[in-house]
Amino acid sequence: DAGVIQSPRHEVTEMGQEVTLRCKPISGHNSLFWYRQTMMRGLELLIYFNNNVPIDDSGMPEDRFSAKMPNASFSTLKIQPSEPRDSAVYFCASSIGRAGEQYFGPGTRLTVT
Amino acid sequence: AQKITQTQPGMFVQEKEAVTLDCTYDTSDQSYGLFWYKQPSSGEMIFLIYQGSYDEQNATEGRYSLNFQKARKSANLVISASQLGDSAMYFCAMREAYGQNFVFGPGTRLSVLP
Repeated sequence: DAGVIQSPRHEVTEMGQEVTLRCKPISGHNSLFWYRQTMMRGLELLIYFNNNVPIDDSGMPEDRFSAKMPNASFSTLKIQPSEPRDSAVYFCASSIGRAGEQYFGPGTRLTVT
Repeated sequence: AQKITQTQPGMFVQEKEAVTLDCTYDTSDQSYGLFWYKQPSSGEMIFLIYQGSYDEQNATEGRYSLNFQKARKSANLVISASQLGDSAMYFCAMREAYGQNFVFGPGTRLSVLP
């Protein structure tokens, strides 16, 4: 069975550029989560969706970050404009229901120079 | 305030021995879930085990067991018969029924020695 799919796996971009990260959750999972992991701050929840609806985006650092989930099988996390402090590994995870265990994608390693 | 505390930044264990990774949590909810994840050096996050706050039995999954002490608000992970492949970061996480959705601890780096 396919797990959570994320693309790209690695992204290197220059400061000021737009970055779009993509996620395909596990089929049948109705909750989707975006996380950011850095050495300094650990693993932080950015936003989560339930049935394609954003439920809690309080972890989104600022207006430069936006996330969408147009359908049950696809979500994007966009950073515009990107800054060097956005460099991190971004994980997408999905679960059956908000309370279920989350299954993580392989992550996207973002480097902003 | 820290919701999840993992006091051991790093642990060493001899191969084939058992090891306990500590996790304490803070919540005022009566209904919550506790999770452990493994992150090897390759970077992926692997779900290991789950304990619900109302579960009377400690959760077990193969060589993993969760020592759940509700009154002490601790949910320690026990790995029996350690293997070299167990070397990784281990994260404790909590999902509350209300309030903040899902929070991870800072992690414990486990190194299994041959």
